[in-house]
This record gives sequence, C-alpha cells and structure tokens, in this order.
Amino acid sequence: DSGVTQTPKHLITATGQRVTLRCSPRSGDLSVYWYQQSLDQGLQFLIQYYNGEERAKGNILERFSAQQFPDLHSELNLSSLELGDSALYFCASSDRTFSNEQFFGPGTRLTVL
Amino acid sequence: GQQVMQIPQYQHVQEGEDFTTYCNSSTTLSNIQWYKQRPGGHPVFLIQLVKSGEVKKQKRLTFQFGEAKKNSSLHITATQTTDVGTYFCAGQVEGGSQGNLIFGKGTKLSVKP
Repeated sequence: DSGVTQTPKHLITATGQRVTLRCSPRSGDLSVYWYQQSLDQGLQFLIQYYNGEERAKGNILERFSAQQFPDLHSELNLSSLELGDSALYFCASSDRTFSNEQFFGPGTRLTVL
Repeated sequence: GQQVMQIPQYQHVQEGEDFTTYCNSSTTLSNIQWYKQRPGGHPVFLIQLVKSGEVKKQKRLTFQFGEAKKNSSLHITATQTTDVGTYFCAGQVEGGSQGNLIFGKGTKLSVKP
C-alpha cells in the first residue's frame, strides 16, 4: 500500500460525458502527479501540482483539467469524453517539488462506451 | 519531442535465466528512475540514478546509468517468477520542467517456471 488513494476504482460512462477522478496523496506529500496509461501508449505524464499550484504540464488535452485543493487532495476532470480516453488514470505523490521517488495510487480505470 | 525509448517491448525467459532491459533518451537526463508494475497493479519505485556512469545493485537487480546520461539499463540475474511484471524507466530531462518524468513504454517480463 503506497498511501496514495484514488476514487473511484472503476468508472464506466458514455461519450460526451464529464467525469471527475479524485486523488489523496500520502500524508505530508505536497506534489501530486497525474498519469494516463493506455495499452499502446505506456504511461503518459499529464500534469503536476505542488502545494496547490500547477508546476508542470505534459500531454494533457484541453478537455482535461486538474486542481489541487488546500487539503492537498487533487481532482482530474475529464470532459467531452471520447472512446480514446478509456484508460487507467494514475495519481502519484512525492514529498518534494522535484521529481524524486513517486508513490503511485491504485489507479482509476475509465471506460468510455 | 523528448522521448525515452525502451527495448525490448516483451521478454520471455525461463526461470533462472538473466534479463536485461535498455533505455535510451534523445536528450541528456538529469536523473533516471526505474519502476516495476506487477500485472493488475500500479508502478512501484525501484531506484533512482543521478550520476554519470553510476551503477547500483539491489540483490539480483543491477542498474546502470550511462556516461553521457542518455541511456540506462536494468539487469536481473537468475530470474524468478516473482520478477514477472513490466519494468519502466523514467527520465527527467536536464533543464526541463521539474516533475515532468518521461516514461519509456516498458518491458513486459514473463518468467516460465
């Protein structure tokens, strides 16, 4: 158990819909990272937050947005969903601004029908 | 764009055989991390290499960082069935956005008992 929690575990929705994925980092970790893992693309870095502020942006679509709240939990919002958005979404946390060891949560499996 | 290539994509070995996965970056890395993801699980941090030419060992696992800090390898001696999973390298680009790890697509290792 990494200490990072993600909800929900599974999410099934239809194209065009909007969903919110939630992540609680390890106690004391200020950095939260979001990744998308699909079969053919491996792990794609989406975005990083540090203590409530966006720190780094990867291959995140404009239809996706994220935020980190004062209690350090983070949410990833996915809108106008497409079939290709079906994937595992991982959240990870670390205790520094810089990317050292990252602790991954169990992931949210999103299926878009 | 910046890429981290990882080969091979798949490796099937007999228990007791050795295994190596290689990682190559198109740009110089400030550090490289290795993660293991068991089937159905989430990535788990194994190690971080920072120095040029660095070699680190963890029991049967040997990690190397190239002199030019553009390539890395993970070697497992005498594989066991518990080694099954996908091994990812993840590089942080020198001078790049902090926190932006670029993951290789992973090498999926299967071990036949």
